[in-house]
Amino acid sequence: ILNVEQSPQSLHVQEGDSTNFTCSFPSSNFYALHWYRWETAKSPEALFVMTLNGDEKKKGRISATLNTKEGYSYLYIKGSQPEDSATYLCAFLPAITGNQFYFGTGTSLTVIP
Amino acid sequence: KAGVTQTPRYLIKTRGQQVTLSCSPISGHRSVSWYQQTPGQGLQFLFEYFSETQRNKGNFPGRFSGRQFSNSRSEMNVSTLELGDSALYLCASSHSGGRTDTQYFGPGTRLTVL
Repeated sequence: ILNVEQSPQSLHVQEGDSTNFTCSFPSSNFYALHWYRWETAKSPEALFVMTLNGDEKKKGRISATLNTKEGYSYLYIKGSQPEDSATYLCAFLPAITGNQFYFGTGTSLTVIP
Repeated sequence: KAGVTQTPRYLIKTRGQQVTLSCSPISGHRSVSWYQQTPGQGLQFLFEYFSETQRNKGNFPGRFSGRQFSNSRSEMNVSTLELGDSALYLCASSHSGGRTDTQYFGPGTRLTVL
């Protein structure tokens, strides 16, 4: 069983603050890493698919970086807004297990107005 | 374009019963994956279907099974329910099941086993 860890488990920030959180995964046997945002009472929504070491992806105020050699990805939110409140999940896809994703338990972000 | 739909949204069963959950993917999507979420756990992969064939299976007992129909709709069945099967079951579809394809999730079915 592969271990994917996300930290911190939860985070409370003030509106306007910038924040970041981490997804750690096995550095060997990497194929891809997916990031999702999951708002309460909604479905998980895809944010980024990352495949190459050094990848940086950006969507509005949210960006992500990838380091496959050391086995981590960072998700950054610049100028957090209340609508950013959600759980952010990462899903690791190893090279040898087809489409079997391994999800972290998520970082729960609350943005206080 | 309609999103992924799951039925039913909520279900209460008793131990020993069986249950069937349904997932209708986005039109044109051929891959459907199923996940289980229990409190304190990340999403656990159950299985993935593509063109009516199971391509991948997670580490779940044989009581969990699934199938996919020619219109890509998928069903998941759990037999001989146990209390620990109480969970949120999510399905996700993608266009061709490619490993970097975006997955689109449904709203989930909340199963409670009493």
